[in-house]
Amino acid sequence: LAKTTQPISMDSYEGQEVNITCSHNNIATNDYITWYQQFPSQGPRFIIQGYKTKVTNEVASLFIPADRKSSTLSLPRVSLSDTAVYYCLVSFSGGYNKLIFGAGTRLAVHP
Amino acid sequence: DTEVTQTPKHLVMGMTNKKSLKCEQHMGHRAMYWYKQKAKKPPELMFVYSYEKLSINESVPSRFSPECPNSSLLNLHLHALQPEDSALYLCASSSDYYEQYFGPGTRLTVT
Repeated sequence: LAKTTQPISMDSYEGQEVNITCSHNNIATNDYITWYQQFPSQGPRFIIQGYKTKVTNEVASLFIPADRKSSTLSLPRVSLSDTAVYYCLVSFSGGYNKLIFGAGTRLAVHP
Repeated sequence: DTEVTQTPKHLVMGMTNKKSLKCEQHMGHRAMYWYKQKAKKPPELMFVYSYEKLSINESVPSRFSPECPNSSLLNLHLHALQPEDSALYLCASSSDYYEQYFGPGTRLTVT
């Protein structure tokens, strides 16, 4: 599975848009890019998944360029409750979905 | 029902004890997972069950013994653990190609 690299931490303020970029140079043809959010002492929660171009749901957008060697998670108008760790993962599905978590990005949203 | 439940929430055990962690899901998912997470670290995959068969064992010590009695239940039997095994143990489930749903975890302390 491809290894991912993302910033260790980021700071933002309420109401701002936050973009977290992840690099995954060795992504394979069958791999998907998935982002999870985790609050302290809770299990990770799925945010968004994509294969190429752009995916949008009610909480985030995911931008993936044509070469798929990186991706950007965009969180519009963050609030204090978005303070969490965000994990970028490359996942392969073949009857099960093996996930290897990288270090993640600790996002702190300030008032 | 999109919930993965785990019991107990907290567990304290001595190094000579035998205990079990339980996980349950009723989403019809055929893949279930155990992860271990130390403080301020990402989750680490331990085991994957696919269609009730053990598909992946990530070189986990034999003092951890997984069991999948049926498609909705996953157990993790613990025996002769070490203090360094203290961590948050997370269970997750997924169907093919889609996101994993994580439970809230069991906080394990080995004394």
